[in-house]
Amino acid sequence: GQSLEQPSEVTAVEGAIVQINCTYQTSGFYGLSWYQQHDGGAPTFLSYNALDGLEETGRFSSFLSRSDSYGYLLLQELQMKDSASYFCAASGGTALIFGKGTTLSVSS
Amino acid sequence: DARVTQTPRHKVTEMGQEVTMRCQPILGHNTVFWYRQTMMQGLELLAYFRNRAPLDDSGMPKDRFSAEMPDATLATLKIQPSEPRDSAVYFCASAWAGEETQYFGPGTRLLVL
Repeated sequence: GQSLEQPSEVTAVEGAIVQINCTYQTSGFYGLSWYQQHDGGAPTFLSYNALDGLEETGRFSSFLSRSDSYGYLLLQELQMKDSASYFCAASGGTALIFGKGTTLSVSS
Repeated sequence: DARVTQTPRHKVTEMGQEVTMRCQPILGHNTVFWYRQTMMQGLELLAYFRNRAPLDDSGMPKDRFSAEMPDATLATLKIQPSEPRDSAVYFCASAWAGEETQYFGPGTRLLVL
């Protein structure tokens, strides 16, 4: 079967760094995406890794290791507005398979 | 500002009634996805289309759900008859084939009583 595992909740304080891990088991793996979803909102695209290594976009970075079937999303200089759910999603050339999501709570 | 639109945004109905949800993908996108999101199951893919042709609807309960793309600017998801367990947020997303980014609509929040 196809599945993605990520922690259900993470808490942190403003200004901190947090890492959200994702392990996947899929067939025909192409790459790993990350989406952010605020309460009551729609998922929005954050990043995509097709190759091993780190991709940096502003305060957010995403990492992929194909050999370990593992990736993570790194959020730096956390702000209150980063409180949201974060989903990893595996691309297998057809459609995305989403993890259950990690709820990040940022406190002051 | 191109975006995916969905109607209705909210729907309350009684068990047994037909529900139709509509989605207008971003102009030029040729791939359309329907997802269902619940607390228990998370985001589940129901069906998706490429160039208006259905590619995969294995995630959809066939006996009551149907998805179509009458034209390139409209995708529909129908539930008939609806049941309380169908209560969820239904998202439509669109993308350009070959690109990984999916653009989600605001969702239809469905409550079946």
